[in-house]
Amino acid sequence: NAGVTQTPKFQVLKTGQSMTLQCAQDMNHEYMSWYRQDPGMGLRLIHYSVGAGITDQGEVPNGYNVSRSTTEDFPLRLLSAAPSQTSVYFCASSPWFRNTGELFFGEGSRLTVL
Amino acid sequence: AQKVTQAQTEISVVEKEDVTLDCVYETRDTTYYLFWYKQPPSGELVFLIRRNSFDEQNEISGRYSWNFQKSTSSFNFTITASQVVDSAVYFCALSEDITSGTYKYIFGTGTRLKVLA
Repeated sequence: NAGVTQTPKFQVLKTGQSMTLQCAQDMNHEYMSWYRQDPGMGLRLIHYSVGAGITDQGEVPNGYNVSRSTTEDFPLRLLSAAPSQTSVYFCASSPWFRNTGELFFGEGSRLTVL
Repeated sequence: AQKVTQAQTEISVVEKEDVTLDCVYETRDTTYYLFWYKQPPSGELVFLIRRNSFDEQNEISGRYSWNFQKSTSSFNFTITASQVVDSAVYFCALSEDITSGTYKYIFGTGTRLKVLA
């Protein structure tokens, strides 16, 4: 069972570089989201989507873009990486767009920006 | 606005002790959902429990139990007879119903539990 798959698991970038964190789920979940985890800050919501073509901002959206062209995929784009974006990123999905069910998480992607 | 507070940053206990992790939440909605997740040292996030705002019954699952009190806006988590394998970061989370229009899950900052042998 694949569940939620994130790639890459580790990435080192230089300031100003761009990259995309990939997230794919094979459970036909409507709801998908991205979080970043930083020491002492817990999990903070970056962006979320309640279905293909629908996205919205979370708590910390600046510096990140998302799109949802299919139900399965929800990539997170960093257009110009900054050291403040060094973090562990988690993608999560849930069966219902009404966010009433539990989240299924990917294994995380550790990003370092030098 | 939604808010989840886990005031305990880190707790250390000796194996076999009972430990309670506190979670206090804020919401304007009457319908909402509360969750607990576990993050072991390996880093993955594991779902433990979901509770909706209309169900205030306490729940027990093995050594784990949860106490939901709407009057104090709390959803506390107790581990009985703790074991070293319980060492992890535990997150409490809140989501509001569709009436809020926000569709967000909000997490607390987590409590790191260290169980010493």
